[in-house]
Amino acid sequence: AQSVTQLGSHVSVSEGALVLLRCNYSSSVPPYLFWYVQYPNQGLQLLLKYTSAATLVKGINGFEAEFKKSETSFHLTKPSAHMSDAAEYFCAVTTTGANSKLTFGKGITLSVRP
Amino acid sequence: NAGVTQTPKFQVLKTGQSMTLQCAQDMNHNSMYWYRQDPGMGLRLIYYSASEGTTDKGEVPNGYNVSRLNKREFSLRLESAAPSQTSVYFCASTPRGRPEGRTEAFFGQGTRLTVV
Repeated sequence: AQSVTQLGSHVSVSEGALVLLRCNYSSSVPPYLFWYVQYPNQGLQLLLKYTSAATLVKGINGFEAEFKKSETSFHLTKPSAHMSDAAEYFCAVTTTGANSKLTFGKGITLSVRP
Repeated sequence: NAGVTQTPKFQVLKTGQSMTLQCAQDMNHNSMYWYRQDPGMGLRLIYYSASEGTTDKGEVPNGYNVSRLNKREFSLRLESAAPSQTSVYFCASTPRGRPEGRTEAFFGQGTRLTVV
């Protein structure tokens, strides 16, 4: 079985500051990892995904994440926060095993201060 | 290209009433999921269906039943609604198996359910 841990429930940054949202995973087989974003009163939208190709993955809206197998991590970063980045962010993991299913972390709410 | 379609978008139920949330996808995906989202709890898996004809319990299945009617449709039923089932419900679908498993899940827009 796989799982995802997102430490902390809320991150607040100033506009223009670095955004770092942490995600650690647990999986007994090679994982596929995803970051999703949810804006208020909307569904989930894919930001980026790791599927065993490049370990540094670039996504939409200037976000990127690095897969580090040794640390079992897939942290999401953005060099300069924008007010429009305020949202809830979810890390998720799946595999291609026979019993694989998509498993989400509890999510992190990002606030951006002017 | 509709993707994942959920109905209804909003619903208010009285305690004890029953209802079925409908979900359909047009991407020929094998796997489908039902999640509930509650503040501070993230998305919790209720049931999933790895393929047509199979369903399995997720993290929070109590009080719910599901039907994988065919490859396209996966419905969630509340037999006797309780206030604790007030939540936002999301349906999702993914391909399954190599190499399709590398693609992301596609989500419906959600159903906001209130049980009074």
